[in-house]
Amino acid sequence: DGGITQSPKYLFRKEGQNVTLSCEQNLNHDAMYWYRQDPGQGLRLIYYSQIVNDFQKGDIAEGYSVSREKKESFPLTVTSAQKNPTAFYLCASSISYSSQTQYFGPGTRLLVL
Amino acid sequence: AQTVTQSQPEMSVQEAETVTLSCTYDTSESDYYLFWYKQPPSRQMILVIRQEAYKQQNATENRFSVNFQKAAKSFSLKISDSQLGDAAMYFCAYSSSLGGTGTASKLTFGTGTRLQVTL
Repeated sequence: DGGITQSPKYLFRKEGQNVTLSCEQNLNHDAMYWYRQDPGQGLRLIYYSQIVNDFQKGDIAEGYSVSREKKESFPLTVTSAQKNPTAFYLCASSISYSSQTQYFGPGTRLLVL
Repeated sequence: AQTVTQSQPEMSVQEAETVTLSCTYDTSESDYYLFWYKQPPSRQMILVIRQEAYKQQNATENRFSVNFQKAAKSFSLKISDSQLGDAAMYFCAYSSSLGGTGTASKLTFGTGTRLQVTL
């Protein structure tokens, strides 16, 4: 089955620790995205990538980093510089033509210990 | 910058009845896409319906339809014959191109409307 997978489902971070969230897709989509969702709010864009080895900052990139070494994978690292990392993180992908339709993975819940 | 407003934090509908969720947006662009996503308790975002701004015809997907009023910048979602499984958060989203070498897009979301379905 084609789709987007995210792991882990729940992640706990200690103070000063970097953690990495995984996102994999087998839809052959060119573009991938990371969003953050806080309670009572919609999603906000953290980073996006249109092609392998290229990525751009979104609206709230501070304290986060990404890589895109393979078309299928777009991991997100939450660094110690992110002072309020507790949130729900969603990965999405889209075919790189004008449909602009993004499909989402199941999400990762990040909690700070 | 584009903004999306959902003025109904919560709505309730009886099973088999019809409900309409409201959404307005602000943009200076002429070519864009609008979406409704559903987020059930599992929290995965599920695409419900999509509308291209250049199309005058309102999009429909089975029991879901939209009323797209481009001049008024309004994009409401109508759910007919509501079912218990329709209970969820519904998000309206505006899509604009991010440019560059590809055609990646940025989704701007509203704050959501929680829909309850009662027996």
